[in-house]
Amino acid sequence: DGGITQSPKYLFRKEGQNVTLSCEQNLNHDAMYWYRQDPGQGLRLIYYSQIVNDFQKGDIAEGYSVSREKKESFPLTVTSAQKNPTAFYLCASSPMTGSGADTQYFGPGTRLTVL
Amino acid sequence: DQQVKQNSPSLSVQEGRISILNCDYTNSMFDYFLWYKKYPAEGPTFLISISSIKDKNEDGRFTVFLNKSAKHLSLHIVPSQPGDSAVYFCAAGVDYSGSARQLTFGSGTQLTVLP
Repeated sequence: DGGITQSPKYLFRKEGQNVTLSCEQNLNHDAMYWYRQDPGQGLRLIYYSQIVNDFQKGDIAEGYSVSREKKESFPLTVTSAQKNPTAFYLCASSPMTGSGADTQYFGPGTRLTVL
Repeated sequence: DQQVKQNSPSLSVQEGRISILNCDYTNSMFDYFLWYKKYPAEGPTFLISISSIKDKNEDGRFTVFLNKSAKHLSLHIVPSQPGDSAVYFCAAGVDYSGSARQLTFGSGTQLTVLP
């Protein structure tokens, strides 16, 4: 079945440590995205990538880093520089048809808790 | 500055009745709008979308209405079912042809359908 997988579902990290969240898709989508959701708030864009080896900052990129070495994979690293890392992290992907119908499809999310 | 606003954090309706979820936006550049449904600890699921060239789009029990002059869209669910109980997010984007679409999300409305 085609879809987006994120692992792990729950992640605990000690303050001051970097942690990497995995995102894999087998939908053959060109674009991939990382969002963060905090309680009572909408999703906020961290980074996105349109093509392998290229990515752009979203609205809240500070304290995060990404890589896109393969079309299927877009891992997110939450660094120790991120001041409030505890949140629900969502990965998404979309085709880039240029037709205006580029709906984003989401993975199940990773809940990160910093202790 | 919230460019996409969902002013009702919660809504309760009786099973079988109509649910109307509202969304306002401020950025006149937005030309594509989507509704997502989200259960706790899961990723959002795409429901329905509408392009700015239309004022209505229908898919089964779900209909989205767009009023460009008022910068307002709404999602109608008829008839409402208990399984529709979830958080509904409105999202908006600009169709830059050939580019990944950056979506701006509202803060969500918790819909509860009472049996």
